[in-house]
Amino acid sequence: DAGITQSPRHKVTETGTPVTLRCHQTENHRYMYWYRQDPGHGLRLIHYSYGVKDTDKGEVSDGYSVSRSKTEDFLLTLESATSSQTSVYFCATNRDSGNQPQHFGDGTRLSIL
Amino acid sequence: GDSVTQMEGPVTLSEEAFLTINCTYTATGYPSLFWYVQYPGEGLQLLLKATKADDKGSNKGFEATYRKETTSFHLEKGSVQVSDSAVYFCALNRDDKIIFGKGTRLHILP
Repeated sequence: DAGITQSPRHKVTETGTPVTLRCHQTENHRYMYWYRQDPGHGLRLIHYSYGVKDTDKGEVSDGYSVSRSKTEDFLLTLESATSSQTSVYFCATNRDSGNQPQHFGDGTRLSIL
Repeated sequence: GDSVTQMEGPVTLSEEAFLTINCTYTATGYPSLFWYVQYPGEGLQLLLKATKADDKGSNKGFEATYRKETTSFHLEKGSVQVSDSAVYFCALNRDDKIIFGKGTRLHILP
């Protein structure tokens, strides 16, 4: 759907290590989003981008940074991973904001030991 | 701020039963409303949407009507199938973002 590829699909790492997740899209959508999904919380927005080099924070941005140097790629970085960041991470894209729905990737399951 | 509240699950039904998943929202203005579905191991997929009051969204036998007077967008299906087992999310759009409810897990028994 909307040609969204997340990598890696699964990752296990240790506390304190840096982690980068990648989202790649082939539809030339302007907007890209990173969410985390946790039991009892639904999906929570971490960061989003409304164009190359244009990003903004979501509701749970602490401990995360993002970069978007090309339209097709949106990177999420955990500078120093903590166990509380164990989660399933989803990338989504949207051609325009407003009334348009978002298209989701298949997720990255990240475990931090 | 804007928010979405949906009924907690899990909801367990027998095949061919009638389904209702309740969703209410709090928002300023007139957001678009969505239902997304998530099958095991996958990302969310748009199920249906409505962009203004009294609109009815429909897809795959599911329906939901945008009720401004009750700030609701309840999901219904007349006869569920085992393949409908999934997690369902109600959501609204606000500016550049979408706000999701916490999701309702649906189990359909054969």
